[in-house]
Amino acid sequence: GDSVTQMEGPVTLSEEAFLTINCTYTATGYPSLFWYVQYPGEGLQLLLKATKADDKGSNKGFEATYRKETTSFHLEKGSVQVSDSAVYFCAPSSGAGGTSYGKLTFGQGTILTIHP
Amino acid sequence: DADVTQTPRNRITKTGKRIMLECSQTKGHDRMYWYRQDPGLGLRLIYYSFDVKDINKGEISDGYSVSRQAQAKFSLSLESAIPNQTALYFCATSGGGIYNEQFFGPGTRLTVL
Repeated sequence: GDSVTQMEGPVTLSEEAFLTINCTYTATGYPSLFWYVQYPGEGLQLLLKATKADDKGSNKGFEATYRKETTSFHLEKGSVQVSDSAVYFCAPSSGAGGTSYGKLTFGQGTILTIHP
Repeated sequence: DADVTQTPRNRITKTGKRIMLECSQTKGHDRMYWYRQDPGLGLRLIYYSFDVKDINKGEISDGYSVSRQAQAKFSLSLESAIPNQTALYFCATSGGGIYNEQFFGPGTRLTVL
């Protein structure tokens, strides 16, 4: 079945530091790739997405590139802010075909804390 | 108004009780999902439904059942709650298509004593 390996947390950084959260996956077919973010006390919301090899998803200063050859989708941000403190989830969506089409498989989540 | 709502938001119950968690959506999506979140384990899929007549088990369906009353409503039941079902439960919806982005509700925090 599909699986995701995320960088273990918690990750603690100072404001304006560079952020990388690693994510590698195994998935059937040709998956779409997502990063979701969960702010304290809230549900998950989509941060960014990519649907094919070499696509770069971006939002709120975060970026991730779909690397098919290494089955990776690492999340990066050049200068983090205190407001970025949250839990981040990498999630491939299983490829087309079969009853599992469109199902997300979540990583365990990476807790990110940014200090002023 | 929120597109995906869950009721109740918090619930404390006792072992052996029957519990129902409800989810409603106004996004007009056919697909709905129930997940549970436990610390360090991410989200795990309990059940999913691709339309009103299509219900499928996820990876951890034992001890749970669901009902898809209408396109907009998808309920999760714990027939006889046990303490290891204490978790945060999320409902999600998606419209299919190339991205099949899922939209999540705010979650229900369930505690089984």
